[in-house]
Amino acid sequence: GAVVSQHPSWVICKSGTSVKIECRSLDFQATTMFWYRQFPKQSLMLMATSNEGSKATYEQGVEKDKFLINHASLTLSTLTVTSAHPEDSSFYICSARTTNYGYTFGSGTRLTVV
Amino acid sequence: RKEVEQDPGPFNVPEGATVAFNCTYSNSASQSFFWYRQDCRKEPKLLMSVYSSGNEDGRFTAQLNRASQYISLLIRDSKLSDSATYLCVVLTGGGGNKLTFGTGTQLKVEL
Repeated sequence: GAVVSQHPSWVICKSGTSVKIECRSLDFQATTMFWYRQFPKQSLMLMATSNEGSKATYEQGVEKDKFLINHASLTLSTLTVTSAHPEDSSFYICSARTTNYGYTFGSGTRLTVV
Repeated sequence: RKEVEQDPGPFNVPEGATVAFNCTYSNSASQSFFWYRQDCRKEPKLLMSVYSSGNEDGRFTAQLNRASQYISLLIRDSKLSDSATYLCVVLTGGGGNKLTFGTGTQLKVEL
């Protein structure tokens, strides 16, 4: 139980375009979704916390206008990287807290901006 | 200072060896502690929670020292399949719901 499905697994896009990443909770309702970013050989860094039906809370240094988060339903949260640039290339991963299984993670999205 | 610090390794050990990883955290108000395992290019997966009393799960033993703000993971009889990056994770935050990850310690188990 407590599966978070994340898509796409990887994406290559051109500089200046926008990319949307989706995380769906398949068998539970995710009131809160956490979005992380991980650069090579670095730790997962929390970018923002999204709550269903309200605005996301962004960590210091994360541009909210660049990383748009939508959490319109209890089973879907999306992260859109707008006007992506090569420095945005990273591993993006979502996570939800569940009642019985602790924190469960999506499988991650590897974004490469060329 | 990083909130959660780990030696990045890599630790190269022969199959069957016993290996220990350490982690320190800076926020004394941290509430819960975990070890996660992350395989290359994959999502982290919970290995075990860590308690002050120490806890064991098969070949894995975790220990927490709140006074020293120190967490450890011991792997006995290491297998090739144990090769991965082990992440020390601490739960902090006003709402008690912010996970802070260490950079991870890479383990390579060799024949």
